[in-house]
Amino acid sequence: ETGVTQTPRHLVMGMTNKKSLKCEQHLGHNAMYWYKQSAKKPLELMFVYNFKEQTENNSVPSRFSPECPNSSHLFLHLHTLQPEDSALYLCASSQDFQLPAYEQYFGPGTRLTVT
Amino acid sequence: GQNIDQPTEMTATEGAIVQINCTYQTSGFNGLFWYQQHAGEAPTFLSYNVLDGLEEKGRFSSFLSRSKGYSYLLLKELQMKDSASYLCAVRDSNYQLIWGAGTKLIIKP
Repeated sequence: ETGVTQTPRHLVMGMTNKKSLKCEQHLGHNAMYWYKQSAKKPLELMFVYNFKEQTENNSVPSRFSPECPNSSHLFLHLHTLQPEDSALYLCASSQDFQLPAYEQYFGPGTRLTVT
Repeated sequence: GQNIDQPTEMTATEGAIVQINCTYQTSGFNGLFWYQQHAGEAPTFLSYNVLDGLEEKGRFSSFLSRSKGYSYLLLKELQMKDSASYLCAVRDSNYQLIWGAGTKLIIKP
């Protein structure tokens, strides 16, 4: 499945580093999402973009900064992270954020380790 | 608050049937999704229920009772490849998906 791609697949960074995660979808969707997945915890929605406009920001710390230059690309800029930010970061897309019947398609995720 | 409950782990035998339950309490309801996630991989869509009743799709079926805030995923003729985590998610009145922590299903020969 190559509908949603994410790079890098693995990332190790120190607390003072700055890095970016990239997501690209080839499905013609208009909504894109960033999720955080920690072991044995529910998926946490971080950010939602619908037609390139940010619609949701679920109280995410400012050390995470999203960017959506167009409907196909989504970035998550990271800086001064904490060890508890270590997790799997998943990108997803769907036809439209407000169309309830449409499922989300996920990328393979970036496994982030903060040292 | 909003809450999705599902068992943490279940074990079943190859060829058997298993039912994974999900109960929810959310602000509004705009449908319930089931996803499958193999270890180290992306979640993939299995089913969507918005009306009460049973939806069948091959070996997998999903049931919804909105009055009870309850759903289940039924897997028949279990295969080893069905070993995975199964995630229940409800779309609330703000169109956000509220996720359960997932049920890890272990299939034994």
